[in-house]
Amino acid sequence: GAVVSQHPSWVICKSGTSVKIECRSLDFQATTMFWYRQFPKQSLMLMATSNEGSKATYEQGVEKDKFLINHASLTLSTLTVTSAHPEDSSFYICSARRKAGGRTGELFFGEGSRLTVL
Amino acid sequence: SQQGEEDPQALSIQEGENATMNCSYKTSINNLQWYRQNSGRGLVHLILIRSNEREKHSGRLRVTLDTSKKSSSLLITASRAADTASYFCATAAVSGGGADGLTFGKGTHLIIQP
Repeated sequence: GAVVSQHPSWVICKSGTSVKIECRSLDFQATTMFWYRQFPKQSLMLMATSNEGSKATYEQGVEKDKFLINHASLTLSTLTVTSAHPEDSSFYICSARRKAGGRTGELFFGEGSRLTVL
Repeated sequence: SQQGEEDPQALSIQEGENATMNCSYKTSINNLQWYRQNSGRGLVHLILIRSNEREKHSGRLRVTLDTSKKSSSLLITASRAADTASYFCATAAVSGGGADGLTFGKGTHLIIQP
């Protein structure tokens, strides 16, 4: 099956620092990757859609300068939380759509990255 | 915005019993998918049902879709302790512009008691 890897799986950082989270599709090419945020006991909220070779599309209310997304290749997207603050502490999950999957094909999810900002 | 609403929010049953979770949505969809999430982990895709399908089976899972009522149900038969997890429905909207990431419901937390 298709595997999506996220790294790091958990990170603790000081307030004001920047944290980069990687999302890799290990055995398939993903033209589109999605970044979600999940607070404890809540659902996933789509933050942005990352398309290879183009600028990410952000959902309403998500600060693009705060959450920098880069999708440099068909297998890697990165999310950088800049100048992180305690309220940014959350579980960040990426998902990838297989290149041949079409717009509404199955998404494959990473294991998530838990960010704790002190 | 979240358009999927699952009910119940939490469900606790005995091992061996059947578990039914419901999901309602608001807009026209291309398909509806169910995912499982173990605590602190990523999501696992369970099943996808297209808008022109009414019922689908996969092992112990049975999913129904009623587009007239904009609702879906997930039935897990003969539940096992390992089924304990949160279950989310997610919808893929009919194309009409905008981001085409899935929209997730709030989830049902299922607890299977041994």
